[in-house]
Amino acid sequence: KQEVTQIPAALSVPEGENLVLNCSFTDSAIYNLQWFRQDPGKGLTSLLLIQSSQREQTSGRLNASLDKSSGRSTLYIAASQPGDSATYLCAVDENQGGKLIFGQGTELSVKP
Amino acid sequence: EAGVAQSPRYKIIEKRQSVAFWCNPISGHATLYWYQQILGQGPKLLIQFQNNGVVDDSQLPKDRFSAERLKGVDSTLKIQPAKLEDSAVYLCASSLGAINGQYFGPGTRLTVT
Repeated sequence: KQEVTQIPAALSVPEGENLVLNCSFTDSAIYNLQWFRQDPGKGLTSLLLIQSSQREQTSGRLNASLDKSSGRSTLYIAASQPGDSATYLCAVDENQGGKLIFGQGTELSVKP
Repeated sequence: EAGVAQSPRYKIIEKRQSVAFWCNPISGHATLYWYQQILGQGPKLLIQFQNNGVVDDSQLPKDRFSAERLKGVDSTLKIQPAKLEDSAVYLCASSLGAINGQYFGPGTRLTVT
């Protein structure tokens, strides 16, 4: 059974720092991996989607990497801003069926 | 382009009562998902529709939860009777197809007292 884990559960950094969020999964046979952002009281916003054949994806200050063999993904945020404060979730799709299995999220707080 | 719409946004009910949530997906999206997100956890898929057919409902507690997607567009999720442990945010998402990215609605926060 696939399990997705995110560490740490919460992270607080000063503005301007570069930071890394971690995601690990137990079964490397995945179709893709996604990173989402969730603001309080709101739904999820997709940030980056990495197909199983890819190693990384970039969007602006965000870079996500995927290492299937080790069951790990990282989300790198450069030059963090207070507006980046949110909960970040990773999710894997195992069989191209759309069923996402989520980690529990990392709550990020960026202090001005 | 309008996003995924959900209503109501908040609902408070007593245990053993019934409740229904409504979702309107993005126009043209064939696949619709209902997720349950308990506080402090990631979302868990309850049911997935492809048009008006069920693709996956393996994690739906069928003794109390039901869902339908009439005409392959809007969807309703019902809980009857509710239990305290059903307190959660219920998220609806839609996508063009199962292999495409999912777009999430704002969710309905349910509190069962």
